[in-house]
Amino acid sequence: DSGVTQTPKHLITATGQRVTLRCSPRSGDLSVYWYQQSLDQGLQFLIQYYNGEERAKGNILERFSAQQFPDLHSELNLSSLELGDSALYFCASSRAGSDTQYFGPGTRLTVL
Amino acid sequence: QQQVKQSPQSLIVQKGGIPIINCAYENTAFDYFPWYQQFPGKGPALLIAIRPDVSEKKEGRFTISFNKSAKQFSLHIMDSQPGDSATYFCAASINNDMRFGAGTRLTVKP
Repeated sequence: DSGVTQTPKHLITATGQRVTLRCSPRSGDLSVYWYQQSLDQGLQFLIQYYNGEERAKGNILERFSAQQFPDLHSELNLSSLELGDSALYFCASSRAGSDTQYFGPGTRLTVL
Repeated sequence: QQQVKQSPQSLIVQKGGIPIINCAYENTAFDYFPWYQQFPGKGPALLIAIRPDVSEKKEGRFTISFNKSAKQFSLHIMDSQPGDSATYFCAASINNDMRFGAGTRLTVKP
């Protein structure tokens, strides 16, 4: 158990809908990262937040957005969902000054 | 743009064998190179990591070999066991910007 929690574990929705994925980092970790893992794309970095501020952006679509709240939990919002958005979404966290990222168990999103 | 190339895509070895997974990177600014292990339905878990000032690091049965001039690094698993069957990802990072390889599915046969 990495100490990173993610909810929900599974999510099934329809095209065009909007969903919110939630992540709680390990106690004391200020950085939160979001990744998308699909069968043909591997692990793709989406976005990083550090202590509430956006720190880095990867291959995140404009339909996707994220935020980190004062209690350091983070949410990833996915809107106007398409079939191709079906994937595993992972959250990871790290301590300030550390390169090591600890991953949560993931949320499996299925768009029908 | 794929910044970290990983091979092979899949690997089958017998119990006790030494699987080797290779990765190559492009950006010489990367300064942290971790390997992650992922079991089906689970998140990636950090296995071992190395920095470019070291050529080899060993933790238990897992060894990273690092060749800075060739911009390559590899994972060796000594005395592999069926329980090591998983997908392994290499990664390269700078300032927490981490880029992953495509993964290697390892099967260790009893």
